[in-house]
Amino acid sequence: KNEVEQSPQNLTAQEGEFITINCSYSVGISALHWLQQHPGGGIVSLFMLSSGKKKHGRLIATINIQEKHSSLHITASHPRDSAVYICAVPRGGGGADGLTFGKGTHLIIQP
Amino acid sequence: GAVVSQHPSRVICKSGTSVKIECRSLDFQATTMFWYRQFPKQSLMLMATSNEGSKATYEQGVEKDKFLINHASLTLSTLTVTSAHPEDSSFYICSARKRGKETQYFGPGTRLLVL
Repeated sequence: KNEVEQSPQNLTAQEGEFITINCSYSVGISALHWLQQHPGGGIVSLFMLSSGKKKHGRLIATINIQEKHSSLHITASHPRDSAVYICAVPRGGGGADGLTFGKGTHLIIQP
Repeated sequence: GAVVSQHPSRVICKSGTSVKIECRSLDFQATTMFWYRQFPKQSLMLMATSNEGSKATYEQGVEKDKFLINHASLTLSTLTVTSAHPEDSSFYICSARKRGKETQYFGPGTRLLVL
Protein backbone atom coordinates (compact mmCIF):
# COMPACT_ATOMS: atom_id res chain seq x y z
CA LYS A 1 0.00 0.00 0.00
CA ASN A 2 1.32 3.39 -0.96
CA GLU A 3 2.13 5.99 1.65
CA VAL A 4 2.05 9.66 0.72
CA GLU A 5 3.82 12.48 2.53
CA GLN A 6 3.18 16.10 1.69
CA SER A 7 4.91 19.24 2.83
CA PRO A 8 4.37 21.82 4.05
CA GLN A 9 1.03 21.22 5.77
CA ASN A 10 0.31 24.93 5.92
CA LEU A 11 1.72 27.74 3.83
CA THR A 12 0.93 31.44 3.94
CA ALA A 13 2.52 33.67 1.34
CA GLN A 14 2.15 37.10 -0.16
CA GLU A 15 0.57 37.68 -3.53
CA GLY A 16 3.10 37.26 -6.31
CA GLU A 17 5.34 34.81 -4.50
CA PHE A 18 6.54 31.57 -6.07
CA ILE A 19 5.00 28.60 -4.26
CA THR A 20 6.34 25.06 -4.01
CA ILE A 21 4.52 22.09 -2.50
CA ASN A 22 6.27 18.75 -2.21
CA CYS A 23 5.01 15.17 -2.28
CA SER A 24 6.79 11.87 -1.67
CA TYR A 25 5.38 8.39 -2.01
CA SER A 26 6.62 4.94 -1.12
CA VAL A 27 5.61 2.57 -3.92
CA GLY A 28 6.27 2.87 -7.64
CA ILE A 29 3.28 4.26 -9.49
CA SER A 30 1.79 4.58 -12.93
CA ALA A 31 0.90 8.24 -12.40
CA LEU A 32 0.58 10.86 -9.68
CA HIS A 33 -2.34 13.25 -9.26
CA TRP A 34 -2.37 16.81 -8.01
CA LEU A 35 -5.77 17.98 -6.82
CA GLN A 36 -7.18 21.23 -5.53
CA GLN A 37 -9.88 21.29 -2.85
CA HIS A 38 -11.84 24.44 -2.10
CA PRO A 39 -13.51 25.27 1.24
CA GLY A 40 -16.83 23.82 0.13
CA GLY A 41 -15.12 20.48 -0.39
CA GLY A 42 -15.25 20.20 -4.16
CA ILE A 43 -12.19 18.71 -5.79
CA VAL A 44 -10.62 19.76 -9.06
CA SER A 45 -8.03 17.61 -10.78
CA LEU A 46 -5.06 19.80 -11.68
CA PHE A 47 -2.56 17.33 -13.10
CA MET A 48 -1.97 13.67 -13.66
CA LEU A 49 1.62 12.95 -14.55
CA SER A 50 3.81 9.93 -14.89
CA SER A 51 7.10 11.55 -15.87
CA GLY A 52 8.81 14.87 -16.40
CA LYS A 53 6.89 18.08 -16.15
CA LYS A 54 3.50 19.51 -17.00
CA LYS A 55 2.39 23.13 -17.13
CA HIS A 56 -1.04 24.65 -17.08
CA GLY A 57 -1.20 28.40 -16.83
CA ARG A 58 0.67 29.43 -13.68
CA LEU A 59 0.79 25.88 -12.35
CA ILE A 60 3.71 23.55 -12.96
CA ALA A 61 3.99 19.97 -11.78
CA THR A 62 7.15 17.89 -11.88
CA ILE A 63 7.84 14.30 -10.97
CA ASN A 64 10.97 12.25 -10.40
CA ILE A 65 10.00 8.61 -10.67
CA GLN A 66 13.35 7.30 -9.43
CA GLU A 67 13.20 9.41 -6.29
CA LYS A 68 9.43 8.92 -5.86
CA HIS A 69 8.95 12.65 -5.48
CA SER A 70 6.78 15.30 -7.08
CA SER A 71 6.46 19.04 -6.72
CA LEU A 72 3.69 21.46 -7.52
CA HIS A 73 4.71 25.04 -8.24
CA ILE A 74 2.57 28.13 -8.51
CA THR A 75 4.11 31.14 -10.19
CA ALA A 76 2.90 34.70 -9.53
CA SER A 77 0.56 33.46 -6.81
CA HIS A 78 -2.79 35.17 -6.35
CA PRO A 79 -5.35 35.16 -3.51
CA ARG A 80 -7.66 33.04 -5.65
CA ASP A 81 -5.04 30.29 -5.49
CA SER A 82 -5.88 29.90 -1.80
CA ALA A 83 -7.08 26.33 -1.35
CA VAL A 84 -5.94 22.93 -0.14
CA TYR A 85 -3.62 21.19 -2.58
CA ILE A 86 -3.55 17.42 -2.39
CA CYS A 87 -1.17 14.89 -3.86
CA ALA A 88 -2.61 11.45 -4.61
CA VAL A 89 -1.24 8.19 -5.97
CA PRO A 90 -2.79 4.83 -6.85
CA ARG A 91 -2.91 2.92 -3.60
CA GLY A 92 -1.35 -0.18 -5.12
CA GLY A 93 0.64 1.70 -7.72
CA GLY A 94 -1.46 0.68 -10.69
CA GLY A 95 -3.73 2.79 -12.85
CA ALA A 96 -6.88 0.85 -12.02
CA ASP A 97 -6.53 1.46 -8.30
CA GLY A 98 -8.33 3.89 -6.08
CA LEU A 99 -6.20 6.72 -4.77
CA THR A 100 -4.28 7.25 -1.56
CA PHE A 101 -4.12 10.91 -0.65
CA GLY A 102 -1.65 13.09 1.14
CA LYS A 103 -2.90 15.17 4.04
CA GLY A 104 -2.94 18.23 1.86
CA THR A 105 -1.25 21.61 1.94
CA HIS A 106 -3.43 24.44 3.13
CA LEU A 107 -2.29 27.43 1.08
CA ILE A 108 -3.27 31.01 1.86
CA ILE A 109 -2.17 33.79 -0.45
CA GLN A 110 -2.51 37.19 1.13
CA PRO A 111 -3.08 40.29 -1.01
CA GLY B 1 -16.49 16.93 -21.03
CA ALA B 2 -16.01 14.37 -18.22
CA VAL B 3 -18.46 15.81 -15.73
CA VAL B 4 -19.50 13.89 -12.63
CA SER B 5 -22.48 14.91 -10.56
CA GLN B 6 -23.52 13.88 -7.07
CA HIS B 7 -26.88 14.11 -5.43
CA PRO B 8 -27.73 15.30 -2.89
CA SER B 9 -25.04 17.86 -2.17
CA ARG B 10 -26.02 18.04 1.46
CA VAL B 11 -28.22 15.89 3.66
CA ILE B 12 -29.22 15.96 7.28
CA CYS B 13 -30.90 12.89 8.70
CA LYS B 14 -31.85 11.32 11.99
CA SER B 15 -29.85 8.52 13.51
CA GLY B 16 -31.08 5.14 12.35
CA THR B 17 -32.32 6.22 8.94
CA SER B 18 -30.78 5.27 5.61
CA VAL B 19 -29.39 7.75 3.12
CA LYS B 20 -28.74 7.17 -0.56
CA ILE B 21 -26.14 9.17 -2.47
CA GLU B 22 -26.03 9.10 -6.26
CA CYS B 23 -22.96 9.56 -8.42
CA ARG B 24 -23.49 10.07 -12.13
CA SER B 25 -21.11 10.48 -15.03
CA LEU B 26 -22.95 12.92 -17.26
CA ASP B 27 -21.09 12.71 -20.54
CA PHE B 28 -19.04 9.54 -20.47
CA GLN B 29 -19.28 5.90 -19.54
CA ALA B 30 -17.66 5.14 -16.21
CA THR B 31 -16.57 1.54 -16.00
CA THR B 32 -15.15 2.17 -12.54
CA MET B 33 -16.36 4.48 -9.81
CA PHE B 34 -14.66 5.06 -6.50
CA TRP B 35 -16.22 6.19 -3.25
CA TYR B 36 -14.17 8.23 -0.81
CA ARG B 37 -14.96 9.94 2.46
CA GLN B 38 -13.30 12.73 4.34
CA PHE B 39 -13.74 13.42 8.04
CA PRO B 40 -13.10 16.99 9.23
CA LYS B 41 -9.46 18.00 8.98
CA GLN B 42 -8.46 14.59 7.67
CA SER B 43 -7.37 13.20 4.32
CA LEU B 44 -9.71 11.68 1.82
CA MET B 45 -9.88 7.92 2.28
CA LEU B 46 -10.92 5.30 -0.22
CA MET B 47 -13.99 3.40 0.91
CA ALA B 48 -14.71 1.15 -2.04
CA THR B 49 -14.17 0.51 -5.71
CA SER B 50 -17.21 -0.12 -7.83
CA ASN B 51 -17.04 -1.75 -11.26
CA GLU B 52 -20.10 -1.75 -13.47
CA GLY B 53 -22.02 -4.98 -13.23
CA SER B 54 -20.01 -6.51 -10.42
CA LYS B 55 -19.85 -6.34 -6.64
CA ALA B 56 -17.96 -3.50 -5.07
CA THR B 57 -14.59 -4.07 -3.44
CA TYR B 58 -14.43 -2.55 0.02
CA GLU B 59 -11.38 -1.27 1.83
CA GLN B 60 -10.37 -2.73 5.15
CA GLY B 61 -12.48 -1.34 7.95
CA VAL B 62 -15.41 -0.34 5.74
CA GLU B 63 -18.50 -2.42 6.48
CA LYS B 64 -20.05 -3.61 3.26
CA ASP B 65 -23.40 -4.24 4.94
CA LYS B 66 -23.51 -0.69 6.21
CA PHE B 67 -22.32 1.06 3.06
CA LEU B 68 -24.22 -0.53 0.19
CA ILE B 69 -22.83 0.24 -3.23
CA ASN B 70 -24.62 -0.41 -6.47
CA HIS B 71 -23.14 0.27 -9.91
CA ALA B 72 -25.95 -0.91 -12.11
CA SER B 73 -25.13 1.11 -15.20
CA LEU B 74 -22.15 2.74 -16.85
CA THR B 75 -23.28 6.17 -15.70
CA LEU B 76 -24.63 5.63 -12.20
CA SER B 77 -23.32 4.35 -8.90
CA THR B 78 -25.15 4.70 -5.61
CA LEU B 79 -23.90 4.59 -2.04
CA THR B 80 -26.49 3.85 0.63
CA VAL B 81 -25.54 4.51 4.23
CA THR B 82 -27.80 2.17 6.17
CA SER B 83 -28.88 2.86 9.73
CA ALA B 84 -26.78 5.99 9.82
CA HIS B 85 -25.19 7.10 13.06
CA PRO B 86 -23.58 10.41 14.04
CA GLU B 87 -20.12 8.92 13.49
CA ASP B 88 -21.05 8.44 9.81
CA SER B 89 -21.27 12.21 9.43
CA SER B 90 -18.68 13.01 6.82
CA PHE B 91 -18.03 14.35 3.34
CA TYR B 92 -18.61 11.61 0.76
CA ILE B 93 -17.16 12.06 -2.70
CA CYS B 94 -17.15 9.84 -5.72
CA SER B 95 -14.91 9.71 -8.73
CA ALA B 96 -15.34 8.02 -12.06
CA ARG B 97 -12.90 6.52 -14.51
CA LYS B 98 -13.30 5.66 -18.17
CA ARG B 99 -12.39 2.20 -19.42
CA GLY B 100 -8.65 1.85 -19.85
CA LYS B 101 -7.93 5.38 -18.64
CA GLU B 102 -6.32 6.41 -15.40
CA THR B 103 -7.72 9.91 -14.94
CA GLN B 104 -10.35 10.12 -12.22
CA TYR B 105 -13.09 12.72 -12.48
CA PHE B 106 -14.46 13.80 -9.13
CA GLY B 107 -18.00 14.62 -8.18
CA PRO B 108 -18.71 17.72 -6.08
CA GLY B 109 -19.29 15.67 -2.93
CA THR B 110 -22.11 15.09 -0.48
CA ARG B 111 -21.97 16.41 3.04
CA LEU B 112 -23.82 14.09 5.41
CA LEU B 113 -24.83 15.12 8.90
CA VAL B 114 -26.47 12.51 11.09
CA LEU B 115 -28.22 13.88 14.16
